Amino acid sequence: GIQVEQSPPDLILQEGANSTLRCNFSDSVNNLQWFHQNPWGQLINLFYIPSGTKQNGRLSATTVATERYSLLYISSSQTTDSGVYFCAVEREGGTSYGKLTFGQGTILTVHP
Amino acid sequence: KAGVTQTPRYLIKTRGQQVTLSCSPISGHRSVSWYQQTPGQGLQFLFEYFSETQRNKGNFPGRFSGRQFSNSRSEMNVSTLELGDSALYLCASSSRGRSAFFGQGTRLTVV
Repeated sequence: GIQVEQSPPDLILQEGANSTLRCNFSDSVNNLQWFHQNPWGQLINLFYIPSGTKQNGRLSATTVATERYSLLYISSSQTTDSGVYFCAVEREGGTSYGKLTFGQGTILTVHP
Repeated sequence: KAGVTQTPRYLIKTRGQQVTLSCSPISGHRSVSWYQQTPGQGLQFLFEYFSETQRNKGNFPGRFSGRQFSNSRSEMNVSTLELGDSALYLCASSSRGRSAFFGQGTRLTVV
């Protein structure tokens, strides 16, 4: 199956700092999403971004599908950004209906 | 628009029992997927349903099963519970293969 690798596994920042999270995947995809898991376990949608660049406030994401990676940028980080960030992909092809493969996540801690 | 609703939020069951979890998707979404999250294995795909048909299944034993109803609501069942089934179970719904939206999850503890 498709492999998804996220880096770094852990990231510790001071409030106000910027950060970049990376997601590498091993095959062509027709869906790539970034999620933030809140302390109660819910996965919050950040971006649906199988290709291209999107921005939403202090967050932005870029996916270069031909090179099989995606980046999530967090600018001017806040303590509320703390948590686990997941990248998930759906492999291109007819047998991957609705199947998202997740990376292991990046644990982000933002200190005041 | 209401989000994905999962019930119950928390469950404690004894080894050997069975459990049924419920998921109501976002209105208009016909695809429902289920995932298991554990500290050791991370987030793993269980199965996906579309229009009452299972289209895809992950690598889980037959004790894990599911179904989808005509209103797109879905249930998953785990029979003969084992301690290792303790996990957060997440349900997601999506429309036309686009963004998946997740519910708050059901946290199952098997004792």
